[in-house]
Amino acid sequence: NAGVTQTPKFRILKIGQSMTLQCTQDMNHNYMYWYRQDPGMGLKLIYYSVGAGITDKGEVPNGYNVSRSTTEDFPLRLELAAPSQTSVYFCASVRGVGTEAFFGQGTRLTVV
Amino acid sequence: AQKITQTQPGMFVQEKEAVTLDCTYDTSDPSYGLFWYKQPSSGEMIFLIYQGSYDQQNATEGRYSLNFQKARKSANLVISASQLGDSAMYFCAMREVNAGGTSYGKLTFGQGTILTVHP
Repeated sequence: NAGVTQTPKFRILKIGQSMTLQCTQDMNHNYMYWYRQDPGMGLKLIYYSVGAGITDKGEVPNGYNVSRSTTEDFPLRLELAAPSQTSVYFCASVRGVGTEAFFGQGTRLTVV
Repeated sequence: AQKITQTQPGMFVQEKEAVTLDCTYDTSDPSYGLFWYKQPSSGEMIFLIYQGSYDQQNATEGRYSLNFQKARKSANLVISASQLGDSAMYFCAMREVNAGGTSYGKLTFGQGTILTVHP
């Protein structure tokens, strides 16, 4: 059982470039999330989804977009990358609201 | 708005001793869950322990226990018999469970505490 898989693990972007961070889970979880973790800080919610076709903004959504066409996949799109988006990005999924979140391994993104 | 506070940026403990990592929270929702995650230097997030707001007993998982004091809104993590492998960043997180489950499982994280275990 792979759990939550994120790709890529590392990426360097130039200012103004775009990219998509991929996230897939094989646990049939309805709830999925994208968090970012800045150095020495806790995680902040970017976007979340409660099921295929349903997404909503979290605490720090500016500069990002998401889609959820299937239960398994929840990609995060960065448009016009900025240095402020240098961070580690985590995708997570939850079976139910009273259960623990399963996290992917993270994507370390640097914007230069 | 919910809020999680971890007031200890760093903690040191001798191997085989116990250590307590502090976490206080703020919420007006009567139903919520509290989580602790470990983040080693490799970066992954590892779930340690969960406490529901209506749970009567403090949660325990092996060497981890959660000292839940609801009136004081604190949920401290106690690690007994510390090991060198316990050196990591530890995050406290909270999930509100609104009526109808409209929290959608969103977690709010504290700033974290870096634990260093000395041999």
